[in-house]
Amino acid sequence: AQKVTQAQTEISVVEKEDVTLDCVYETRDTTYYLFWYKQPPSGELVFLIRRNSFDEQNEISGRYSWNFQKSTSSFNFTITASQVVDSAVYFCALTLDTGRRALTFGSGTRLQVQP
Amino acid sequence: NAGVTQTPKFRILKIGQSMTLQCAQDMNHNYMYWYRQDPGMGLKLIYYSVGAGITDKGEVPNGYNVSRSTTEDFPLRLELAAPSQTSVYFCASSRTGTDSNQPQHFGDGTRLSIL
Repeated sequence: AQKVTQAQTEISVVEKEDVTLDCVYETRDTTYYLFWYKQPPSGELVFLIRRNSFDEQNEISGRYSWNFQKSTSSFNFTITASQVVDSAVYFCALTLDTGRRALTFGSGTRLQVQP
Repeated sequence: NAGVTQTPKFRILKIGQSMTLQCAQDMNHNYMYWYRQDPGMGLKLIYYSVGAGITDKGEVPNGYNVSRSTTEDFPLRLELAAPSQTSVYFCASSRTGTDSNQPQHFGDGTRLSIL
């Protein structure tokens, strides 16, 4: 069975600080996909990124960057120069390339960015 | 483009009542999912479907039923509502194929309270 652990329950930062959200996953499969979703206070789930298990390249999208390391089974998410609009719950999730392809979610990290 | 549409957005039920949560997608996705999100937790899979006429249980199926008579619709039925089913319910869909595990598209959620 798959497992995703987000050990940080809540993080509070001041605007313009950088912040890293940790994600550690467990799976015995060699082919899998990792995702990050954002859930703002309004409650919807917003897709941020997908990464497959064969692509360990880091990715940068504006103020967001992701660091995928298979050696440590981690897929961490960094927000540079955080803004109040980044305040949300962030979920890391994993899915396999076979079967039901459903997402296994971590418990989420609540990020509060103070002005 | 409507994406994934869930109705209703909010509902209060009495213990023992039944109801159907509606979910429709207009993206011709083959895979559809129902998740529930309890407070402070990640999402857990209730049921999923890989195509019209095919459904299967997820991690937490007890107390629920689904059907998938068309590609577009995937309703979730609660037969005898119990307080433990108080949660936010999310429907999601995705397309799978040669470039498998496209990100799941989520509806905005249905907030259900059982009193």
